[in-house]
Amino acid sequence: SQTIHQWPATLVQPVGSPLSLECTVEGTSNPNLYWYRQAAGRGLQLLFYSVGIGQISSEVPQNLSASRPQDRQFILSSKKLLLSDSGFYLCAGAHTGEETQYFGPGTRLLVL
Amino acid sequence: AQSVTQPDIHITVSEGASLELRCNYSYGATPYLFWYVQSPGQGLQLLLKYFSGDTLVQGIKGFEAEFKRSQSSFNLRKPSVHWSDAAEYFCAVEAGTALIFGKGTTLSVSS
Repeated sequence: SQTIHQWPATLVQPVGSPLSLECTVEGTSNPNLYWYRQAAGRGLQLLFYSVGIGQISSEVPQNLSASRPQDRQFILSSKKLLLSDSGFYLCAGAHTGEETQYFGPGTRLLVL
Repeated sequence: AQSVTQPDIHITVSEGASLELRCNYSYGATPYLFWYVQSPGQGLQLLLKYFSGDTLVQGIKGFEAEFKRSQSSFNLRKPSVHWSDAAEYFCAVEAGTALIFGKGTTLSVSS
């Protein structure tokens, strides 16, 4: 089975600073990868998904971007963080052609 | 549009009592349905899933869920709750490439 790694676990950043969150996957090749944001009381919101290297689909317009420089690496970025970017960010992966998603441990981001 | 509704934001049950968490979905075709559990500050762990076949599916940790097409429901059940089951539970439906999640139900277990 695949394992999803995320780091850092916790991050406190000032408004206007850049952001880079990394997600890597073990145990599978060419996975579909996903970034979700979880805000308190609002469930999970899909931000981006990728079906291959360099292929990114954005679900909602926002201050964030995603990149997939390698098959098993998925990065979430921002050039200038906003207060509203605070939240819990989860990376997930699924085997190609399968619907079941496996989640990483998450990164808690606090923008001050 | 596809959607998932979890009507109960917060439920408290006594340890040893039975549990049922409700989930209703809206989806045009035969849905792929999931239940995940999240402990505080942690990622999501898959409890069980339904794709087709037997409408009663068994998952990990003693959980089961029943798919009822006529009611558009996929309720999660456990016959006897343990204190370690206290967590947040999410129902999800597969919609194309991604999953659509409900807003979650927080389960508290009282002694």
